[in-house]
Amino acid sequence: QSVLTQPPSVSGAPGQRVTISCTGNSSNIGAGHHVHWHQQLPGTAPKPLIYGNDNRPSGVPDRFSGSKSGTSASLAITGLQAEDEADYYCQSYDYSLDAHVFGGGTKVTVL
Amino acid sequence: QVHLVQSGAEVKKPGASVRVSCKASGYTFTAYFIHWVRQAPGQGLSWLGWIDPKSGATNVARHFQGRVTMTRDTSITTAYMEVSSLRSDDTATYYCVREIEHSGRFDPWGQGTLVTVSS
Repeated sequence: QSVLTQPPSVSGAPGQRVTISCTGNSSNIGAGHHVHWHQQLPGTAPKPLIYGNDNRPSGVPDRFSGSKSGTSASLAITGLQAEDEADYYCQSYDYSLDAHVFGGGTKVTVL
Repeated sequence: QVHLVQSGAEVKKPGASVRVSCKASGYTFTAYFIHWVRQAPGQGLSWLGWIDPKSGATNVARHFQGRVTMTRDTSITTAYMEVSSLRSDDTATYYCVREIEHSGRFDPWGQGTLVTVSS
């Protein structure tokens, strides 16, 4: 049972827009702690995708965007491409657990 | 360029211990915390804890306290994570990752080390 809740899967056709939600509580996202997102391609290590709620590391296409509101955050992928098929994880800090926590991951499928 | 390079895959018997290394390069090793995260086959990411390479201080996740030890050797810019009393459900890929500026931002990740626990 993950502290942060994500949908197990989302799908979309090439070119479409998909969003992935990440729901926490008042001890983590709702307490003001940043949300970060990681992309994990099959068989590889996770790669940073969004940091500090809505910032992209250099090299990450602007098709990827993040947002945060209240106790939740979202990752949006616009202009979906076949290479975006991967697992996506949200991450934050929980002060009541004194732990960094992850969502359970969302598998994105390009139809 | 910042890199974290981990040691190779391990196969261990139940009850044994395993130590995974994480060699850092391309930045000042003592300036950034190193975290450890694991991923069981087909499962999600689970945080194990962090080490401050400057002081050696650690913070191990409650679920793993008593079985997970984190150390470092600053002379060779390498962090280590040891798991003792291995069980079959410790079978996982273990990752090290650098935290930037105490922000919770993890970047970059090591390539991962598969630890298989099997009799």
